[in-house]
Amino acid sequence: DAKTTQPNSMESNEEEPVHLPCNHSTISGTDYIHWYRQLPSQGPEYVIHGLTSNVNNRMASLAIAEDRKSSTLILHRATLRDAAVYYCILRDSGQGAQKLVFGQGTRLTINP
Amino acid sequence: GAGVSQTPSNKVTEKGKYVELRCDPISGHTALYWYRQSLGQGPEFLIYFQGTGAADDSGLPNDRFFAVRPEGSVSTLKIQRTERGDSAVYLCASSLFRNTEAFFGQGTRLTVV
Repeated sequence: DAKTTQPNSMESNEEEPVHLPCNHSTISGTDYIHWYRQLPSQGPEYVIHGLTSNVNNRMASLAIAEDRKSSTLILHRATLRDAAVYYCILRDSGQGAQKLVFGQGTRLTINP
Repeated sequence: GAGVSQTPSNKVTEKGKYVELRCDPISGHTALYWYRQSLGQGPEFLIYFQGTGAADDSGLPNDRFFAVRPEGSVSTLKIQRTERGDSAVYLCASSLFRNTEAFFGQGTRLTVV
């Protein structure tokens, strides 16, 4: 399974933008970049995913580097409810492995 | 319910006992996944079902762990001769198709004493 590298923790202030980086230098052409987050005492929840182009949805934006070896999850205006562990995951779109392989993720703390 | 439901939410069992953990996926979802999560770690993949069949069971740690999904909806994770090291939160997820967004349940916290 292709691996991702994320900082162990990050801290930001409420109502400020947050940029969560992820490195995936061994990404293959068929790998999608997925982001999930896990709030305290809950199961993970889907945030966003993309292949090559930048993506936006109601929760966040995903900026993907041109060479696809890194990506950044952007929370435009963080709230206290965004405090969670954020996981960057590569998922093969082909017939191969369908599982999501979670790493350690980035623990995001939001200061009021 | 609208989401993935897991029962029980908490289970305490004695070492050596047998346990069953249940997962009710979102109606119509063909793919179902089991994960387990130890404190401070990310979820660890156990097994993936596509319909009734186990398409990938490479994450099951040993033959004490077994999972079934006989009718392609509800799944049961079965653990025989439980050990203290099996203590963890067991998470179930489902998705409409094999490559679409996965929805996770709240998990079952298993404690083996």
